[in-house]
Amino acid sequence: DVVMTQSPLSLSVTLGQPASISCRSSQSLVSSDGNTYLSWFQQRPGQSPRRLICKVSYRDSGVPDRFSGSGSGTDFTLKISRVEAEDVGVYYCLQDTHWPWTFGQGTKVEIK
Amino acid sequence: VQLVESGGVLVQPGGSLRLSCAASGFNFATSWMNWVRQAPGKGLEWVAMLNQDGTLKFYVGSMRGRFTISRDNAKNSLYLQMNALTVEDTALYFCAGDRGVSWGQGTLVTVAS
Repeated sequence: DVVMTQSPLSLSVTLGQPASISCRSSQSLVSSDGNTYLSWFQQRPGQSPRRLICKVSYRDSGVPDRFSGSGSGTDFTLKISRVEAEDVGVYYCLQDTHWPWTFGQGTKVEIK
Repeated sequence: VQLVESGGVLVQPGGSLRLSCAASGFNFATSWMNWVRQAPGKGLEWVAMLNQDGTLKFYVGSMRGRFTISRDNAKNSLYLQMNALTVEDTALYFCAGDRGVSWGQGTLVTVAS
């Protein structure tokens, strides 16, 4: 199985400041169709996960543009340009290129 | 889009359970569908995936042979039959749309004696 490794596992950020989460895969996530299936999910306290970004950098409908995704191959990043109070929660990367699809361990984001 | 899971209960080790997910607000019959679980205080784990007409099924290794994913497109419903349950199967089970584009609120399965 593809192992997804996130860092850091915990992040304390001042409101209005940027935040960055790294996700690395144990093998390339480039699919045979040429796409790279790497998604980011947000799970606020007590809520279900919500997909923010798919295929590395495509924001889902309704996701604020302060969230951005980048990367290629085995190295990916989620950036929040200016953290807001509603961004508190746990963020997961997911590789949906190779079955079984696998999540990272999660990164807990809190406000400093 | 709405996904509403049901069927989660307390069950003894070795028991069986069937979860259901009622879908609405999108074209269910043309969508891959999934089950994802989250053990208490832990991260997310993809459980199973099913194609549009139910002919292609994928399971995570530890659940293969014990869990069966199925659907009824006429009823806009997704199911997960779980057999030979162990305490390690205790989790909140989410119904999720294609590649996790949408999620239900989850249904809690507790396996304990």
